[in-house]
Amino acid sequence: EVQLVESGGGLVQPGRSLKLSCVASGFTFSNYGMNWIRQAPGKGLEWVAYISSGSSYIYYAETVKGRFTISRDNAKNTLYLQMTSLRSEDTALYYCARGATVVPFDYWGQGVMVTVSS
Amino acid sequence: DIQMTQSPASLSASLGETVTIECRASEDIYSNLAWYQQKPGNSPQLLIYDANSLADGVPSRFSGSGSGTQYSLKINSLQSEDVASYFCQQYNNYPWTFGGGTKLELK
Repeated sequence: EVQLVESGGGLVQPGRSLKLSCVASGFTFSNYGMNWIRQAPGKGLEWVAYISSGSSYIYYAETVKGRFTISRDNAKNTLYLQMTSLRSEDTALYYCARGATVVPFDYWGQGVMVTVSS
Repeated sequence: DIQMTQSPASLSASLGETVTIECRASEDIYSNLAWYQQKPGNSPQLLIYDANSLADGVPSRFSGSGSGTQYSLKINSLQSEDVASYFCQQYNNYPWTFGGGTKLELK
């Protein structure tokens, strides 16, 4: 059974940093592109970042480019999102999801909440 | 960026009814279109991919159609467990973008 389990969320002040993790199981993690997608409270879905299976290709949404860094450790079956210079508008539930170019997001984690507030 | 315009934003329907949700892309996405269902308090789940292919385990009352810039999701014989929000998403071009969502409620 495919499982994606996020962690690392919490309450953080504006301008501070936070690092999210997503541990994958039930599939060969190193064969798949992975993503972070977020959902502000009561709002829709926003794709945030993508990393290819071997980390050769990395893309970001314009809203986070230069502040967020996606990475992965295939030996640990773990996806990361380093978030810096956090803003109130980054407050959201962050999901990791499996998917790539011309491939939909076929599995999602349960999400981890990030709240940016003073 | 490709804009995904989804309609209606909310929908109220009766049990057993057929409902249709529309999604329009700002340019041709060559059927690289997915539909997701998100029940309250849960993460989104893939329903339809490649515009008309049913994801594993999805009931056959769900179907997708469309091409080019116009796509739709149809739910036949609405069940109580179908109460959810539904999102379309294009995966033809980076950045991948979602429609604004449709909240489906029971009448």
